[in-house]
Amino acid sequence: GAGVSQSPSNKVTEKGKDVELRCDPISGHTALYWYRQSLGQGLEFLIYFQGNSAPDKSGLPSDRFSAERTGGSVSTLTIQRTQQEDSAVYLCASSLTRQYNSPLHFGNGTRLTVT
Amino acid sequence: KQEVTQIPAALSVPEGENLVLNCSFTDSAIYNLQWFRQDPGKGLTSLLLIQSSQREQTSGRLNASLDKSSGRSTLYIAASQPGDSATYLCAVMGPGNNRLAFGKGNQVVVIP
Repeated sequence: GAGVSQSPSNKVTEKGKDVELRCDPISGHTALYWYRQSLGQGLEFLIYFQGNSAPDKSGLPSDRFSAERTGGSVSTLTIQRTQQEDSAVYLCASSLTRQYNSPLHFGNGTRLTVT
Repeated sequence: KQEVTQIPAALSVPEGENLVLNCSFTDSAIYNLQWFRQDPGKGLTSLLLIQSSQREQTSGRLNASLDKSSGRSTLYIAASQPGDSATYLCAVMGPGNNRLAFGKGNQVVVIP
């Protein structure tokens, strides 16, 4: 069946530009997560959605980062005025429920390069 | 703050040998522990999820154990194959939040 889909797979942007990253979770999955993976670093939590609401956005590194989810499905992560330190792979994951026996399913990520 | 450590960071084994990957975490108050596999340029694939009340989970050649009180988990991969070459990530979910705290991974190379 279809997994988590992320687009674009690669994005190169100039410093100071805004970017939008898209995530299509598995159909029926109510929980959605955004993580960031930098070279040599572990995965860094950014934000969690349950349905359309974001009860935990404490991982967003600055107010340049925002995310929304509509229709309990697609999510968009927006980075305004990109900086070079924003360069990383942005991973989206979804799970069936918020219960603690639901594994996370990850997309292949968006590799963002800020020049 | 939960800290997850995976040792060794990288290892190589000959094909056919059993793989043993270790994960430790600092806060034993967890809801579950998950093991993932990541291939280069790809996302993470869920391998096993162990709930806090469980001691181990098995799937095929994979077996993961959990000792919550000592803050440790071990992933065993029996009779390793070149296709097992990947980075293996351990992650724990704690109370009061819905996020997973990840280790930095064990990068495995199985030599044919």
